[in-house]
Amino acid sequence: KNQVEQSPQSLIILEGKNCTLQCNYTVSPFSNLRWYKQDTGRGPVSLTIMTFSENTKSNGRYTATLDADTKQSSLHITASQLSDSASYICVVSRYGNNRLAFGKGNQVVVIP
Amino acid sequence: SQTIHQWPATLVQPVGSPLSLECTVEGTSNPNLYWYRQAAGRGLQLLFYSVGIGQISSEVPQNLSASRPQDRQFILSSKKLLLSDSGFYLCAWTVDRGPLSLHFGNGTRLTVT
Repeated sequence: KNQVEQSPQSLIILEGKNCTLQCNYTVSPFSNLRWYKQDTGRGPVSLTIMTFSENTKSNGRYTATLDADTKQSSLHITASQLSDSASYICVVSRYGNNRLAFGKGNQVVVIP
Repeated sequence: SQTIHQWPATLVQPVGSPLSLECTVEGTSNPNLYWYRQAAGRGLQLLFYSVGIGQISSEVPQNLSASRPQDRQFILSSKKLLLSDSGFYLCAWTVDRGPLSLHFGNGTRLTVT
C-alpha cells in the first residue's frame, strides 16, 4: 500500500475559482512534507515544505496545511489561473534516513 | 545559484539498443544525486542514488545501471533497452543540510519502440 495517498486523482476547475488538494500519509517517523508542482513534460518544482511543528505555509496563491496528528496535508489554490494546470505531488520524508515517499499526484486542469 | 541539466529532453530508441542519459549539476559540490522514473498515473520511483563519486545504490532490480564518473555528473545507462523501459526519467540532487531539499531536472521522455 502506498504510504502517501492523494485525492482527488484529477479535477477540473474554472479559472478564478479555488480548489483544495488532499494528501494523507502513513510515513513514520515523520520528518517533513513537501508539495511539488509538475507541469506536463517538466520536472517537479517545490512549492512548500513543512516540518512537524508547522501548520501552515504559503507561497503566493498556494497555501499548504499540515496536521501531523492525523497525518494529513492539504494544498489550497486561491483564484486559480490557467498556469495552475499541472500535477501536484505530495512528498513525505521519513525522519532518520530521509527516505522519500511520493504520492501519485493530483492532476489539476484549469479551464477559462 | 545551483542548476541541474538533464539531456536529451526526448528520446526514441528501438528495443535492444543501448541507452545513455546524462545529468550534471552546477553551483554545488558533493551533492547527493538521484535517478527517478515516472510512469503515467504512478508516483515517482527511485531507481538509483549516489552520495559520492563511484558510489551507486540501486533501489530496484532492473535493466538499467548508473554511474557517477565525476562529482557532479550522473549517468543512467542500459546495454539493451526493453519496451518496459519507456517512461519519464528524472534526475535530482540534494545536499545533506537542513530539511531534505530535492531539486529536479526537466526530465527525459524515453520511448522504446
